[in-house]
Amino acid sequence: QVQLQESGPGLVKPSETLSLTCDVSGFSIGSAYYWGWVRQPPGKGLEWIGNVDYSGITFFNPSLKSRVSISLDTSKNQFFLKMRSVTAEDTAIYYCARRVRRSGSHWFLDSWGQGTLVTVSS
Amino acid sequence: DIQMTQSPSSLSASVGNRVTITCRASQDIDNHLAWVQQKPGKAPKTLIYAASTLQGGVPPRFSGSGSGADFTLTISSLQPEDYATYYCQQYLRYPLTFGGGTKVEIQ
Repeated sequence: QVQLQESGPGLVKPSETLSLTCDVSGFSIGSAYYWGWVRQPPGKGLEWIGNVDYSGITFFNPSLKSRVSISLDTSKNQFFLKMRSVTAEDTAIYYCARRVRRSGSHWFLDSWGQGTLVTVSS
Repeated sequence: DIQMTQSPSSLSASVGNRVTITCRASQDIDNHLAWVQQKPGKAPKTLIYAASTLQGGVPPRFSGSGSGADFTLTISSLQPEDYATYYCQQYLRYPLTFGGGTKVEIQ
């Protein structure tokens, strides 16, 4: 069974770059599917950030596209999120998630990491 | 972007009661809809995809229905462990979008 685990700094200064890693076990990320990120500001709802497919092709939320990149390291079975020029509004729990294909055309988020809280503050 | 609107935003029900949550998409998404459960302080968990297909291990008291733009999540007999916030989510078009959530409290 696939497991995902986020890691990275819990505190980032305004205007700096947020960098997170998602370690995946139980499945080879270079073999199939999409690998992505979702965030949740404290006390608020879920926001999809973007995903990368197993070959490295990316898709992003237009609201964040100019500041975000997602990449893979298949040799380490990890994928990464970088978000530039962060502000206090980027304070959130960040979840990594797998997006799988089922029943022909249904590409949905089936597995989630536990999440990591990132606070943007000086 | 496809907007997802849920109602109600919160509800309170007794153990054993039937609970229904609705979700409306701003455009036709066929049945490309998932329901996601998030218990307090925990990671989200996807319960249902394709509007009505339960993921493995999800209790059969959960069911989903709908197609097009209107969808429903039903809990047939509410249990104490069902206290959570439930989100609908469309995955037909980028960006993937979530509803605002429905908080279910146990009376």
